[in-house]
Amino acid sequence: SQQGEEDPQALSIQEGENATMNCSYKTSINNLQWYRQNSGRGLVHLILIRSNEREKHSGRLRVTLDTSKKSSSLLITASRAADTASYFCATVPSANSKLTFGKGITLSVRP
Amino acid sequence: EPEVTQTPSHQVTQMGQEVILRCVPISNHLYFYWYRQILGQKVEFLVSFYNNEISEKSEIFDDQFSVERPDGSNFTLKIRSTKLEDSAMYFCASFYDRVGTEAFFGQGTRLTVV
Repeated sequence: SQQGEEDPQALSIQEGENATMNCSYKTSINNLQWYRQNSGRGLVHLILIRSNEREKHSGRLRVTLDTSKKSSSLLITASRAADTASYFCATVPSANSKLTFGKGITLSVRP
Repeated sequence: EPEVTQTPSHQVTQMGQEVILRCVPISNHLYFYWYRQILGQKVEFLVSFYNNEISEKSEIFDDQFSVERPDGSNFTLKIRSTKLEDSAMYFCASFYDRVGTEAFFGQGTRLTVV
């Protein structure tokens, strides 16, 4: 299966700390995306990294991609209570393929 | 900012009944998807739609499911004879120009089959 697998499944940190979430996948990809989901709500796109990119930044988010290890990480710096949500990685095997989601990581940021 | 709109937000239906879930994608988007998420579980692909036809569907998308774009703007998912296990959040997503770019998701329809 191409499906990404996130690690850890749940993460609890103190406000102000950094949160690191990992995603591993099995086959080659065109790009990998991270999404956020607040409880009972829709998925919100956070960042997309293409297979020829190694690192991208967006505000407090930093995403890395290691295609040799078939893994990606999402780092949220200086976390806030409002970052509490589920985070999903989604892989796209080729340019015209669907998004395939992992099971997600539940992040809790304690005030 | 443009957004994908889904209606209703919550639908309760009797087992065996037909339901239609509606989505209004972003107006200049060409690729449309339905995903579902059973409570607390992963987000599962159901079907993709492009140029007024299904381009890909999953094993979940069996004969009880159908999609159409009846009027060029709305994108609907019909479940013909609902089962208890169809209870889930159903998400519509649209893409700007081609698959593999950023997906815009609606807020979802929570379907409860009783």
